[in-house]
Amino acid sequence: QVQLQESGPGLVKPSETLSLTCTVSGDSVSSGSYYWTWIRQPPGKGLEWIGNIHYTGGTKYNPSLKSRLTISVDTSKNQFSLNLSSVTAADTAVYYCGVCRAQWYFDLWGRGTPVTVAS
Amino acid sequence: QSALTQPASVSGSPGQSISISCTGATNDDGRFTFVSWYQQYPGKAPKLMIFELNKRPSGVSNRFSGSKSGNTASLTISGLRAEDEADYFCCSSAGDSALFGGGTKVTVL
Repeated sequence: QVQLQESGPGLVKPSETLSLTCTVSGDSVSSGSYYWTWIRQPPGKGLEWIGNIHYTGGTKYNPSLKSRLTISVDTSKNQFSLNLSSVTAADTAVYYCGVCRAQWYFDLWGRGTPVTVAS
Repeated sequence: QSALTQPASVSGSPGQSISISCTGATNDDGRFTFVSWYQQYPGKAPKLMIFELNKRPSGVSNRFSGSKSGNTASLTISGLRAEDEADYFCCSSAGDSALFGGGTKVTVL
């Protein structure tokens, strides 16, 4: 069974880059069955889709974040990563990595990692 | 497609049926997009409850069902139980992106 675990700093300074990694176990990140995804949830608020990546490198990004966003995959480490630049307090959230199916549903989720943007 | 609108809260007594609406889940040309529903307990990751509008993943109770009418998708919970008290989010595809509704808090009275 596929399991996902987010990791990265819990505190990022404003204007810096938020970097998170999702480690995949139980399957290969090179599996063609999945799109790997990032979703976030600000405190007390709803969910926001960030973006998807396929192991071939193809990406789909939320238009509202696209100018600051890079999602990449490292097949040698069985991981995929999120980089969000020029962060502000509005980027404070719990960040989830997960699996997105071709029919745009998310059936596997990591536990989530909280990230606070503050000086 | 600009936004998915859900009621902030829905409540019901044990054994009752409730429905949560998700308005706006269609393309501009009126075609229905892929709709999914998620249950989330406080401090936990969301859980997929319904995908492709009305399909249930293995292990999800058949008390949960999905449907649509016009540009509104709905999640119905029948035989409401205390354990159903949670937040529920709809999600719709929008071209090459996904959009979530604002969430609905379900309270079991």
